[in-house]
Amino acid sequence: AQTVTQSQPEMSVQEAETVTLSCTYDTSESNYYLFWYKQPPSRQMILVIRQEAYKQQNATENRFSVNFQKAAKSFSLKISDSQLGDTAMYFCAFMGAFQGAQKLVFGQGTRLTINP
Amino acid sequence: ETGVTQTPRHLVMGMTNKKSLKCEQHLGHNAMYWYKQSAKKPLELMFVYNFKEQTENNSVPSRFSPECPNSSHLFLHLHTLQPEDSALYLCASSQEAQAPYEQYFGPGTRLTVT
Repeated sequence: AQTVTQSQPEMSVQEAETVTLSCTYDTSESNYYLFWYKQPPSRQMILVIRQEAYKQQNATENRFSVNFQKAAKSFSLKISDSQLGDTAMYFCAFMGAFQGAQKLVFGQGTRLTINP
Repeated sequence: ETGVTQTPRHLVMGMTNKKSLKCEQHLGHNAMYWYKQSAKKPLELMFVYNFKEQTENNSVPSRFSPECPNSSHLFLHLHTLQPEDSALYLCASSQEAQAPYEQYFGPGTRLTVT
């Protein structure tokens, strides 16, 4: 079974700093997808960024980028020039095929606080 | 309304009550999901529906009963729940469940079982 581990329960940085959230996963599959979701306080969870395992190039979305190390099964999220609105729970998630349905497996989450 | 909506947003129920959670998506998707989010635990997938057919039941106790009358609506019927069932229940949808499409989440229903 796939597992996703986020080893940092909480992180806190100053506004405008860069922060990196860690994620490791375990799978025997060769083709899969990785995601970072953001859940702001009392708001809906939204997708931040996704990475296809077959792509060597790291995904980027504006201030958000990932460092995908397939051999190490590591998928970290870097937030540059952090903003107060980045305060949220961040979940790393893995998606692989299982009996035909694409299931998302989530990590425990990292609570990120951006301080003014 | 746009996106994925859930009602009610908060629910308090006794262990002998029967209640239902409702989810509606306005995205034209064909797959819908129920997740349970408990404190200090990862999100747990409960059920998956693809084109109105249940394709996944992740060993969920029978006191949780899903219903998907059409691709836009998903219900979770609750009866004789336990206090440990208190959690945030999230609904999500995607274009379909057989491919790695992005899942769009609703705001959740905060359930408290007393």
